[in-house]
Amino acid sequence: GAVVSQHPSRVICKSGTSVKIECRSLDFQATTMFWYRQFPKQSLMLMATSNEGSKATYEQGVEKDKFLINHASLTLSTLTVTSAHPEDSSFYICSAEDTLGQYFGPGTRLTVT
Amino acid sequence: DAKTTQPPSMDCAEGRAANLPCNHSTISGNEYVYWYRQIHSQGPQYIIHGLKNNETNEMASLIITEDRKSSTLILPHATLRDTAVYYCIVRVAPSNQAGTALIFGKGTTLSVSS
Repeated sequence: GAVVSQHPSRVICKSGTSVKIECRSLDFQATTMFWYRQFPKQSLMLMATSNEGSKATYEQGVEKDKFLINHASLTLSTLTVTSAHPEDSSFYICSAEDTLGQYFGPGTRLTVT
Repeated sequence: DAKTTQPPSMDCAEGRAANLPCNHSTISGNEYVYWYRQIHSQGPQYIIHGLKNNETNEMASLIITEDRKSSTLILPHATLRDTAVYYCIVRVAPSNQAGTALIFGKGTTLSVSS
């Protein structure tokens, strides 16, 4: 079946630093990938839609200059949280889509101290 | 995408069937019903989807009413490992509308106990 991986699974960083999260589709090519954020005891919130070779589309309220998304190939999208602050601490989940459905990565737990 | 309504929580005894309802009264003719679940601190896992016919796979069965305004996900023999948040989502098939993200509601927290 379709497998999506994320790296790292968890990361702790200091306030003001940047963190990059990778999302890979392992056994299929994904023209579109999606990034979600989930705070404790809440549902997944869509942050942005990432299309290979073009600029990402961000949801209302998500700062594109803070959450940099790059989708340079059909199997890799990256999310960089720039100048991270404690309020950016969250569970970040990516997903990738093929013609049959949308498949999710295991998530990345980001803690900003 | 059409909105869905699910009960916030349900309990089920281990070994019994878990029946999770979902209302989607404004579903469009070309929208499918998808079910995902999320076990604590993991990414969502696909369970099953259907358009109008009932569907069954190794994980669950999906019963869709004839008017398509509601559906029920059935886990025939719930185990402790089925404890999770279950999300019912309606959307057009990816093959027909590529690049449209799944939008998650609050889902149903299913607690399976021994």
